Amino acid sequence: EAGVVQSPRYKIIEKKQPVAFWCNPISGHNTLYWYRQNLGQGPELLIRYENEEAVDDSQLPKDRFSAERLKGVDSTLKIQPAELGDSAVYLCASSLGSFRGRTSGANVLTFGAGSRLTVL
Amino acid sequence: AQSVAQPEDQVNVAEGNPLTVKCTYSVSGNPYLFWYVQYPNRGLQFLLKYITGDNLVKGSYGFEAEFNKSQTSFHLKKPSALVSDSALYFCAVRDWEGSQGNLIFGKGTKLSVKP
Repeated sequence: EAGVVQSPRYKIIEKKQPVAFWCNPISGHNTLYWYRQNLGQGPELLIRYENEEAVDDSQLPKDRFSAERLKGVDSTLKIQPAELGDSAVYLCASSLGSFRGRTSGANVLTFGAGSRLTVL
Repeated sequence: AQSVAQPEDQVNVAEGNPLTVKCTYSVSGNPYLFWYVQYPNRGLQFLLKYITGDNLVKGSYGFEAEFNKSQTSFHLKKPSALVSDSALYFCAVRDWEGSQGNLIFGKGTKLSVKP
């Protein structure tokens, strides 16, 4: 079974340029997450989708970040324009279930390898 | 909001010795706790979880963790460390209060196992 696939693995851009990251979750996983991991830190959630609905985007900097999950499968995370502070690893993860009723709280997240962004 | 703390930035262990990576949590209600490992240039991999039941949880690669409610801890342990265990370890908790069940991670502990 293929895992969570992310691309590109590495991206170097100059500040003010746009960048996009793509994620293909595990087949059948209806919940998809985008996390940002700064150097020496743990992952921090940016946005969570259940199917095609963004159920938690409270930590997404909406002035420059956007995300979409058309048809409830693949997802794209975009930054426009990028700033120096956006340099980080962007992790995509997926899992089964919905967490609104706590019934899927035990479900495990499966992570992709990440997309490392360097903004110069 | 619920949270986890990993008090050690780095843990150094000799190969063959037991290892412990510490995690404490702050939650209201029953915690859902997880450990993940991250190897260089890789995504996070699930090791084990505690939801309910036996306080000693066994996971992948010979790791186990002990849930201690009175000390609000969930320390990761292994009886005999391997050089290949060297990696970043993250403790995580479900945040049922602030974020509808999102997984909240600690800052991570770097484990270094020397031959």
